[in-house]
Amino acid sequence: SQQGEEDPQALSIQEGENATMNCSYKTSINNLQWYRQNSGRGLVHLILIRSNEREKHSGRLRVTLDTSKKSSSLLITASRAADTASYFCATEDGNTGFQKLVFGTGTRLLVSP
Amino acid sequence: GAVVSQHPSWVICKSGTSVKIECRSLDFQATTMFWYRQFPKQSLMLMATSNEGSKATYEQGVEKDKFLINHASLTLSTLTVTSAHPEDSSFYICSVATGGLNEQFFGPGTRLTVL
Repeated sequence: SQQGEEDPQALSIQEGENATMNCSYKTSINNLQWYRQNSGRGLVHLILIRSNEREKHSGRLRVTLDTSKKSSSLLITASRAADTASYFCATEDGNTGFQKLVFGTGTRLLVSP
Repeated sequence: GAVVSQHPSWVICKSGTSVKIECRSLDFQATTMFWYRQFPKQSLMLMATSNEGSKATYEQGVEKDKFLINHASLTLSTLTVTSAHPEDSSFYICSVATGGLNEQFFGPGTRLTVL
């Protein structure tokens, strides 16, 4: 399977703490994206980092990308209970079709008040 | 970004029946849509790429005769699960590709339960 791996599988923290999730992938990529999914709902796009970028910020989100290690991390700072969701990384394969995304296994984040 | 809807949001059917799921791009003309399947507590797996006016491209291991995809207009793609069985019970999600932008916009998903 070409599916990416994420760790941890589950993460439980208190409000105000930071949450870090890691993603590893297997192929060359055009870009890597992070999505959020609330239970039983569709996905919401959070941030995209291109293969020639190393770090990107968006509000409380910070994403890093290390193409030499084929890995990425998502940091959520000052977490809130509303951040409770599953987070998925997704890679757009550099070799296969237009905009086909391969999703990681996901991290389930629980932020307690 | 594109607003994507799916209908129905959930459906329960008997084994052996067929179920049609609609994916609509409400404010964007989508030449390409994607269909994903997600089992409980698992990730999304791409099933097929739906191309307006042409045949869908299926991923390896996905039966094209079982999962019929029709993308007859720039705003609508349908997925029909034919002769559904309990193992087809899953969360089906569509997404819209917006061309030059790389992000995809996802529908809210359809939960299918086959009894």
